[in-house]
Amino acid sequence: NAGVMQNPRHLVRRRGQEARLRCSPMKGHSHVYWYRQLPEEGLKFMVYLQKENIIDESGMPKERFSAEFPKEGPSILRIQQVVRGDSAAYFCASSPIDSTDTQYFGPGTRLTVL
Amino acid sequence: DQQVKQNSPSLSVQEGRISILNCDYTNSMFDYFLWYKKYPAEGPTFLISISSIKDKNEDGRFTVFLNKSAKHLSLHIVPSQPGDSAVYFCAAYNTNAGKSTFGDGTTLTVKP
Repeated sequence: NAGVMQNPRHLVRRRGQEARLRCSPMKGHSHVYWYRQLPEEGLKFMVYLQKENIIDESGMPKERFSAEFPKEGPSILRIQQVVRGDSAAYFCASSPIDSTDTQYFGPGTRLTVL
Repeated sequence: DQQVKQNSPSLSVQEGRISILNCDYTNSMFDYFLWYKKYPAEGPTFLISISSIKDKNEDGRFTVFLNKSAKHLSLHIVPSQPGDSAVYFCAAYNTNAGKSTFGDGTTLTVKP
């Protein structure tokens, strides 16, 4: 049973470009969470999604950031017009519908904005 | 307002001794608590958890203690091993919200 998969593992963008981060949850998991870890900081919650629904986006910056978890395919975290301050590690986690307390994390995508 | 705090950014322990990592929380709605372990360039992995109705949970060398009145939990690792060197995140889960809030992590270094 494959774990949570994230790609790409490393992403380099220039200021003003768009970044797309993908997350495939574990098989059978219908809940996806995105976290951001800035250098020297902890994991900060961004958004909680179920299939085709955003449940909680209280941690998402109001502008330039969006997330989706379509009926088919991976969850996507999209950052438009990236700035240097967006450079961070972005982690996705998933959990099954009947046990959302424990989350299974992917290896993360390290975004570097030049 | 940080609802989950790990006040020690780092901890250094000699191999074979006990490691004690601490975590404080403020929100009474949290009803489940978890510890995750993270190695560099990897995602966090679940380590051990405890329900708010319990005060202790043990799994091998790892024991988590919960003091609800003090809103405090701790992770004990004994005996500590060099392979335990990692960042440890405390997380508090709110069933109603369906999500966890994480602390900033404590970097544990176990010296041979």
